[in-house]
Amino acid sequence: SQQGEEDPQALSIQEGENATMNCSYKTSINNLQWYRQNSGRGLVHLILIRSNEREKHSGRLRVTLDTSKKSSSLLITASRAADTASYFCATDPHDYKLSFGAGTTVTVRA
Amino acid sequence: GAVVSQHPSRVICKSGTSVKIECRSLDFQATTMFWYRQFPKKSLMLMATSNEGSKATYEQGVEKDKFLINHASLTLSTLTVTSAHPEDSSFYICSARGTSGSNEQFFGPGTRLTVL
Repeated sequence: SQQGEEDPQALSIQEGENATMNCSYKTSINNLQWYRQNSGRGLVHLILIRSNEREKHSGRLRVTLDTSKKSSSLLITASRAADTASYFCATDPHDYKLSFGAGTTVTVRA
Repeated sequence: GAVVSQHPSRVICKSGTSVKIECRSLDFQATTMFWYRQFPKKSLMLMATSNEGSKATYEQGVEKDKFLINHASLTLSTLTVTSAHPEDSSFYICSARGTSGSNEQFFGPGTRLTVL
């Protein structure tokens, strides 16, 4: 069943701006992962944050996790046109069965 | 990174026919593979979990006789959509989890199925 809920559903920003999207979930998790999907393509794994971690960085990506609020955020800094894609959070509730959020569609305008 | 391939990438078939989709882990052994379905502009929905050498575990609401899954080796899982109908048209994505104990899943590029 789908656990993660994301907002906003869609985001349009100017190149160079930051993009922030949020994910909320309902049950306890082992880890939370963020993926990117370009239109009509498969998923690209971006970052995994474990339940005992609060923040993680990877290049221009910054992910936070607040297990008390059951929420996570993904920040993309200095966005580029190539960042245009759909972004999904996925929760892993200890059994490796990922439950995906509805996704946030990000459009970066040149 | 680990690579997962899917074949075919796109298939169009007539209603009533069966379609087989292959998912291969190219450079690692995958003890567990997962099959997802994605409708346009929607999220991925887990259909089933496939473990090498054993029967697949299907999620609630997924017909196991409709979506046959075989995981015959550590590098190959197949999904067969039997007697396909237009409502089965969707984007099917597989993922594979390696044997190293890592939490990461590696996703295939997806297969676009269109049933006429």
